[in-house]
Amino acid sequence: DAGVIQSPRHEVTEMGQEVTLRCKPISGHDYLFWYRQTMMRGLELLIYFNNNVPIDDSGMPEDRFSAKMPNASFSTLKIQPSEPRDSAVYFCASSQITEYEQYFGPGTRLTVT
Amino acid sequence: GQSLEQPSEVTAVEGAIVQINCTYQTSGFYGLSWYQQHDGGAPTFLSYNALDGLEETGRFSSFLSRSDSYGYLLLQELQMKDSASYFCAAPGNNRKLIWGLGTSLAVNP
Repeated sequence: DAGVIQSPRHEVTEMGQEVTLRCKPISGHDYLFWYRQTMMRGLELLIYFNNNVPIDDSGMPEDRFSAKMPNASFSTLKIQPSEPRDSAVYFCASSQITEYEQYFGPGTRLTVT
Repeated sequence: GQSLEQPSEVTAVEGAIVQINCTYQTSGFYGLSWYQQHDGGAPTFLSYNALDGLEETGRFSSFLSRSDSYGYLLLQELQMKDSASYFCAAPGNNRKLIWGLGTSLAVNP
């Protein structure tokens, strides 16, 4: 199995630009999670999906953030417009049945200047 | 509120045993997970305890006491490659994982 795939691995953009992060979960996994990790705030859950349906988006910082999962093999996290404080590593993770055993992608390191 | 507390840093030497503690406060309790994250890498799942007691997987063991709202990760025969951050996590409201801030383990020769 290829594991969770994320793209791009690195993204550098200017403030005000739109950023789209992509994720392909492990085949057969029903849950998909988007996280943000910073030194100051640690690992934060932004949103998670079950069977392509958003279940909890209470961690999404504000309306500038949106996430979609149009099918079982693809999800996007979009930031529009981006701000310097959005600079972080964004992880996508998936799990098969339960929420406590998650498999993480390699992450996207986002830098907003 | 819901929170998990763990020490921020632990230092040990190769070959030693180290214990990383985690105390939690969650509404409802479904178990305690442990993850490892090397610098620049992604978190990887280590173990999960749903019931009280010790779960052993090779050099790593995890323990849970639900009556004490407490668990720990035990690493034996430490190796340099064990230098990493270790996170405890527990499902909270809506079954989403609540994460501790992580314990940075430094293994010295």
